Amino acid sequence: AQSVTQPDIHITVSEGASLELRCNYSYGATPYLFWYVQSPGQGLQLLLKYFSGDTLVQGIKGFEAEFKRSQSSFNLRKPSVHWSDAAEYFCAVGGYGGSQGNLIFGKGTKLSVKP
Amino acid sequence: ETGVTQSPTHLIKTRGQQVTLRCSSQSGHNTVSWYQQALGQGPQFIFQYYREEENGRGNFPPRFSGLQFPNYSSELNVNALELDDSALYLCASSIDGTSGRETQYFGPGTRLLVL
Repeated sequence: AQSVTQPDIHITVSEGASLELRCNYSYGATPYLFWYVQSPGQGLQLLLKYFSGDTLVQGIKGFEAEFKRSQSSFNLRKPSVHWSDAAEYFCAVGGYGGSQGNLIFGKGTKLSVKP
Repeated sequence: ETGVTQSPTHLIKTRGQQVTLRCSSQSGHNTVSWYQQALGQGPQFIFQYYREEENGRGNFPPRFSGLQFPNYSSELNVNALELDDSALYLCASSIDGTSGRETQYFGPGTRLLVL
């Protein structure tokens, strides 16, 4: 079955430090890949998505992600974290199941930012 | 903000009762998906509606049912509530969101507590 794994439940970084959040997926072909962010009391906001082409994808708020087929990974990165980036981050794959429009999410990584 | 609204924001019910949650899509969007997010978990796909027809369903029992109206707003109904139904319920709208590639815009969610 298709699945998404986010190995890190909680990460703490200092403001200004770089960030990498890991995501691994299980699927035979190239999936549609997404990163969403969820702030407390808020819905999910799309940061970026990958379907095909250039494996380095730029998103909003200075985030980028790199698709690596050989590692079945789609890790999210940011060169310099801001305090406002503290939130929960979800990796997702799309296009599965009876409905091609459903998303399968990982369990999320909670990001805390130290001043 | 995405333009997707949900009501109510919070709800408390007792086991065995029935509940209806509502979602208003972003203007111009004809596809609505519903997700359940239990505490500490990623969202899980419940079902999707496309132009008033169910277009796929996740691994949820029939007591979870839905409806989409001609203006593309949507309802999620849950009968015979169980304690495990306590969760944040998210709806997401998109334009022709049946391929898995379309961006889904999420509402803030309805938090349901079943006692």
